[in-house]
Amino acid sequence: EAGVTQFPSHSVIEKGQTVTLRCDPISGHDNLYWYRRVMGKEIKFLLHFVKESKQDESGMPNNRFLAERTGGTYSTLKVQPAELEDSGVYFCASSQFLVAMDTQYFGPGTRLTVL
Amino acid sequence: AQKVTQAQTEISVVEKEDVTLDCVYETRDTTYYLFWYKQPPSGELVFLIRRNSFDEQNEISGRYSWNFQKSTSSFNFTITASQVVDSAVYFCALSEAVPGNQFYFGTGTSLTVIP
Repeated sequence: EAGVTQFPSHSVIEKGQTVTLRCDPISGHDNLYWYRRVMGKEIKFLLHFVKESKQDESGMPNNRFLAERTGGTYSTLKVQPAELEDSGVYFCASSQFLVAMDTQYFGPGTRLTVL
Repeated sequence: AQKVTQAQTEISVVEKEDVTLDCVYETRDTTYYLFWYKQPPSGELVFLIRRNSFDEQNEISGRYSWNFQKSTSSFNFTITASQVVDSAVYFCALSEAVPGNQFYFGTGTSLTVIP
């Protein structure tokens, strides 16, 4: 069974540009999460989809970040316009059940560098 | 407030040595779940173990063992007879009993096993 996949693996952009990250969860997983790790810091929650609906977006840093999950399958996270502090590794995770005990399975992350 | 502390930023051991990675957590919930993930150089977070707050039994899986102590709010991870393939960043995470809740991660411990 395929795991969580993310694209691209790396992205280098200039301040002010737009970047779109994509995540494909494990097939059949209704729950999709986005996290971010800034260099040396903890991995921080950004938001959570249940199917196509945003269940919790309390971790989104500001309105330059837009996440979508049309059709309840893959998700995109757009940063527009990108700022220097947006640099980091963006992880996507998915889980099958909407319970706290359910394991979240993570993708390899997208490393975003904003110059 | 929820918090996970991994005080060890980097650890180096010589192959075949035992090593313990510390994890201390904070939560107000009586029902919660603790996780360990391994991040090898390839980048993805690999799930290792989940433990719920009502089960304080230690767990052993091959060379890996976990010591959960509610009295000290710790969930430590020991690798016995370490191998070079154990070199990775290890993350401890907390999830609370709110359905669909986010994971709270520590800052990770980078383990290097020297041959």
